[in-house]
Amino acid sequence: DIQMTQSPSSLSASVGDRVTITCRASQSISYYLHWYQQRPGKAPKLLIYAASSLQSGVPSRFSGSGSGTDFTLTISSLQPEDFATYYCQQSYSTPPYTFGQGTKLEIK
Amino acid sequence: EVQLVQSGAEVKKPGESLKISCKGSGYSFTNYWIGWVRQMPGKGLEWMGIIYPGDSKTRYSPSLQGQVTISADKSITTAYLQWNSLRASDTAMYYCARPYPCGGDCYYFDYWGQGTLVTVSS
Repeated sequence: DIQMTQSPSSLSASVGDRVTITCRASQSISYYLHWYQQRPGKAPKLLIYAASSLQSGVPSRFSGSGSGTDFTLTISSLQPEDFATYYCQQSYSTPPYTFGQGTKLEIK
Repeated sequence: EVQLVQSGAEVKKPGESLKISCKGSGYSFTNYWIGWVRQMPGKGLEWMGIIYPGDSKTRYSPSLQGQVTISADKSITTAYLQWNSLRASDTAMYYCARPYPCGGDCYYFDYWGQGTLVTVSS
């Protein structure tokens, strides 16, 4: 299985801050990397697909980049509703399409 | 509007069987894979497996193969996740979600169910 490692595991930031979360794959996964946001008690929500494509309806302050093994999710100016847990997921080649362990974004 | 609606919370004893459901609507159910994701209490997301309702082809995570069964009834646009003998370690929230193709083997989960909480306790 392809292993996905996110860093940091948790992060404290303030409203208005620029935040970057990193996801690293154990082997090259081309651009087959997706980002989700999960608020407490809710189902995950797709933010970014195929490394850098913004899902319809997602605010433009979210952006993604990377290819191969290293990827980033950036939130340009944190809003109160952005405090949540973020997961990356790969969908390269054959399943299982594994998730990263998550990054919990908390209010400083 | 695409919707995935899951069955309600379950409380079971170890050794019991269980089948939870996920009903899809608002899209062509037989033309898209549908998958299951586990989230144990306080933990992250775990990809369990997927099924293609058009031909019932399945793919499982190797770590879960043999422990659960994924099936679908296309006549009622519903997918299922089934256990024959539950264990306490199966206690988790289970989500169904639709893998949407983004080219080649690229798939992302674009729609999610609301989740079904399964509690296994003696």
